[in-house]
Amino acid sequence: AQKVTQAQTEISVVEKEDVTLDCVYETRDTTYYLFWYKQPPSGELVFLIRRNSFDEQNEISGRYSWNFQKSTSSFNFTITASQVVDSAVYFCALSEPNTGTASKLTFGTGTRLQVTL
Amino acid sequence: EPEVTQTPSHQVTQMGQEVILRCVPISNHLYFYWYRQILGQKVEFLVSFYNNEISEKSEIFDDQFSVERPDGSNFTLKIRSTKLEDSAMYFCASSRDRMNTEAFFGQGTRLTVV
Repeated sequence: AQKVTQAQTEISVVEKEDVTLDCVYETRDTTYYLFWYKQPPSGELVFLIRRNSFDEQNEISGRYSWNFQKSTSSFNFTITASQVVDSAVYFCALSEPNTGTASKLTFGTGTRLQVTL
Repeated sequence: EPEVTQTPSHQVTQMGQEVILRCVPISNHLYFYWYRQILGQKVEFLVSFYNNEISEKSEIFDDQFSVERPDGSNFTLKIRSTKLEDSAMYFCASSRDRMNTEAFFGQGTRLTVV
């Protein structure tokens, strides 16, 4: 069965600090997708990134970077030089497209990031 | 940019009442989903819908719940007789294909059962 673990419930940092959000996943499938979503205080889910299981290249997008390591089943998310606007709950999610007709997302429990001045 | 829209943004209902949450998925998407998030908890899958039928449903999605695509644009979630524990944020999502290349989420409907 698929599972996503975000062990960090809450992280507080001071603005301009770097912060890494951890995500560990479990799956029996060899083909899967990993996602990160941001949920700001307003409540919507904002898509950040999707990676497939065959692409272990790390990705950088501005201040955001993602480190995908199949050997440790981890897909960690780093924010460089954090800003107050980064304060949100961040969810890691997993889908297994080869199971079922439509692939659902399994979410982790989320990490609440608080960035203060 | 196309987006998934949900109405209403917030609904308050009395226990035992029926509610219908509405969603307009992105027009060329074929797969539709409902997720639920109880306050402060993780987002949980409820149901997926493709080709006018349910593809998969979770244990949460019991006989009190139903989904429908009544016309070419809307996708609805009905809760027949609401309970206090149905209070949550309900998210609709859609994707172009089964691979979930990107599941676009709506802004959510906050349901409060009193």
